[in-house]
Amino acid sequence: DAKTTQPTSMDCAEGRAANLPCNHSTISGNEYVYWYRQIHSQGPQYIIHGLKNNETNEMASLIITEDRKSSTLILPHATLRDTAVYYCIVSGRGSTLGRLYFGRGTQLTVWP
Amino acid sequence: SAVISQKPSRDICQRGTSLTIQCQVDSQVTMMFWYRQQPGQSLTLIATANQGSEATYESGFVIDKFPISRPNLTFSTLTVSNMSPEDSSIYLCSVDAGALYGYTFGSGTRLTVV
Repeated sequence: DAKTTQPTSMDCAEGRAANLPCNHSTISGNEYVYWYRQIHSQGPQYIIHGLKNNETNEMASLIITEDRKSSTLILPHATLRDTAVYYCIVSGRGSTLGRLYFGRGTQLTVWP
Repeated sequence: SAVISQKPSRDICQRGTSLTIQCQVDSQVTMMFWYRQQPGQSLTLIATANQGSEATYESGFVIDKFPISRPNLTFSTLTVSNMSPEDSSIYLCSVDAGALYGYTFGSGTRLTVV
């Protein structure tokens, strides 16, 4: 079962930063936070993941709170092509390695 | 990162028949994962397929309905057996693409059962 809570929908103006929150209050010490997005029934696209430190790559930044109970995905300059469903997933590295349990995600709409 | 090829990309099948979906990866991977996405829903993990061992199924999924093969480190198949309209979904496979890329997904097989 999904261990995360996300808002159902958000919107953002093109060119502005999109900040997508996620709550994962029951996360375990060895579990990572993954973010994926899915554009109109295509296969999910990996965005970023982290354990406890903030992470940044060419797509986004991931901010994880110190207690690891929540995180925020930041798309620094949203474009229309970023309109998608964004999934925040908690996944371990032990017996559940690789098993991703998707919640409902956040529908992000970027408007012109 | 790993590149996944899924076949077929879509199919329309008669109820009571079976369909086998293929997942080919361009590199050797230890684990492959199969997911289902029902219309308007999120993804649900069906099973984990390791080479050389029986697949591990999630709660609510059984081997008789979704038999899986994993003959080598680059290939897996998922069969949807004795199909009913409720099996109409997108079926996706996923692999570990490495620490930098997370888990990569195929483009999916869109199955319609009539």
